[in-house]
Order: sequence, then structure tokens, then C-alpha cells
Amino acid sequence: QQQVKQSPQSLIVQKGGISIINCAYENTAFDYFPWYQQFPGKGPALLIAIRPDVSEKKEGRFTISFNKSAKQFSLHIMDSQPGDSATYFCAASSRSGGGADGLTFGKGTHLIIQP
Amino acid sequence: NAGVMQNPRHLVRRRGQEARLRCSPMKGHSHVYWYRQLPEEGLKFMVYLQKENIIDESGMPKERFSAEFPKEGPSILRIQQVVRGDSAAYFCASSRLGDTQYFGPGTRLTVL
Repeated sequence: QQQVKQSPQSLIVQKGGISIINCAYENTAFDYFPWYQQFPGKGPALLIAIRPDVSEKKEGRFTISFNKSAKQFSLHIMDSQPGDSATYFCAASSRSGGGADGLTFGKGTHLIIQP
Repeated sequence: NAGVMQNPRHLVRRRGQEARLRCSPMKGHSHVYWYRQLPEEGLKFMVYLQKENIIDESGMPKERFSAEFPKEGPSILRIQQVVRGDSAAYFCASSRLGDTQYFGPGTRLTVL
């Protein structure tokens, strides 16, 4: 599977600020791009996902921006709160047969929101 | 509606023993995926199954690892003759028709 590169590896943001995490991919067959949030000792939880036919998707304080030509997508967390402190993973997959391939994950971003 | 269930949550094995990890998908989901997560690493895809079929096992090590998803019952990830390098968190995800995958809480395997 092709790699998904995620940055930064760690991020510290003040409460109320905007957290921005970036990802880049290589495989042009990818057509589904989710973001997951993971707390220590827990499984990843789906936050928000986007398909390449739109450039932006917003759900509450979370926004995905997608640039198909650059093969990049990013997660913006508005009004960041201490409860948002977690590890965030971007991922990508493509469809095959009757379902979707396994997700290719970035290496994760440790986000800390300082009160 | 119960989420994806995995058991056991923690599993300790000695080198050379077998580990069996179970995953019950969400109700109505017929697609199951297994992933492995090493400490401070992202998740790595291992295998994709639909009922009674292995669809993609490209991420599965060629030896000692196997997976099944029988017509009845949970999906099983089996690791034979475990080694210390198998110590990791193993996550199962399920999907109704593909795309959106919902993850279970994981099984943390420790090999002594």
C-alpha cells in the first residue's frame, strides 16, 4: 500500500486556538479520506471523512480541506479545547470489488491543548 | 446498538504459544478489517474479510498469522508460535458496505 505522510508529529495549541494537521498521499486511486481520533488505551474513533469530489467538509468544530491536485488534505480543529488532546490519524483507501480496501494510515499527530 | 466488540482486551502469552483474538462486528456489518498498532506508530492494515471469504491479506505476515470470518460467530485472528515482536495492539474494524470503518477497543497482546 502507498504511504500517507502526516505532519506534524506533535502539536501544542492554546485553548481556543486552531489546530491544523496535514497529510499528503501518493496513490491517485485513493478516493476516501477519513480522520480518526484516538485516546490512550482506546480504539480509533471516526471524526470526519471526505471524498475527492468536494474541497471542504465541516462538522461542528472539525473541518477537512482537500486539495486533489496537490494530493493533500488537512484537518482543522476550531476553538480547540483540552478535551481535544489526543492522537489524530489521517487515513486513505480506495474501493475494490464490493467494498473498500484496508485503510492506509499516517503515523499520527499527538495534539496537546494547553488550558 | 452495540459497537465493534473485541476480546480479550488484554492477552499475555509466552513465546511459542498461540494467540487467538476475536472480533464481533457491528450488527448488520459484513466487512471486517484487522490492523496492528505498534507503540507510537500508526495502524497497519493486515487483512480484509467478508463472511467466509478473505478479500485481501496483503498486510498479513506470510507465516504464523491467519484470519477467518465464519458464517456464524466472530472473526478470529490467530497467531501461532508467538514471538516478542508480535507484542502490539490489534484492532478490528467493521463496515456495512465498505468505506466507513468503525473500530473496536482493541486487544493488547504481550508476549513474554
